[in-house]
Amino acid sequence: EADIYQTPRYLVIGTGKKITLECSQTMGHDKMYWYQQDPGMELHLIHYSYGVNSTEKGDLSSESTVSRIRTEHFPLTLESARPSHTSQYLCASRAQGRYEQYFGPGTRLTVT
Amino acid sequence: AQKVTQAQTEISVVEKEDVTLDCVYETRDTTYYLFWYKQPPSGELVFLIRRNSFDEQNEISGRYSWNFQKSTSSFNFTITASQVVDSAVYFCALSENRDDKIIFGKGTRLHILP
Repeated sequence: EADIYQTPRYLVIGTGKKITLECSQTMGHDKMYWYQQDPGMELHLIHYSYGVNSTEKGDLSSESTVSRIRTEHFPLTLESARPSHTSQYLCASRAQGRYEQYFGPGTRLTVT
Repeated sequence: AQKVTQAQTEISVVEKEDVTLDCVYETRDTTYYLFWYKQPPSGELVFLIRRNSFDEQNEISGRYSWNFQKSTSSFNFTITASQVVDSAVYFCALSENRDDKIIFGKGTRLHILP
């Protein structure tokens, strides 16, 4: 089982601010994922990475960007937050050769 | 195209009752993987089980059991003698062999009433 950490857990921020949501895992997993979860519960994949220097856009278009400079670190950045970005953001990782993903505790973002 | 359908949006049962969460999936692959996740009020998704398409054996883990039937493309989850701590949103999910992504159903919110 992976140890995945997300910070902050909760964030309230004003419109137009730049924010970075942190995600780190300690298991050396190559594959990492970011999901956006709306209040209606549905999960949407917004970014994923196969490894260092690899990033791909997910199924849901997002104004956020990601980077993968180190295996254990997969931060998500919003250059200019808007109220429509209010959501829960979940980070996950997966080991090579396995198919289940392990999730972090999530970041609940509110943009006022 | 792959798809996961959880027709039950919300279920409420009284504690100690048994409850079954339904999951129907669609895929064109012959090799695929099915999952169940639990999301308690704290928000984290907790991995419960993975099932491979070539293994139709049902599984039991304590009060939890899973019924996988390829003939009906279903992967149902039963909680026996439910407890208040089982209250959560439960997601069924699917991953095809050639894909690194997981497709999630829309989730079933389960309320266990004391």
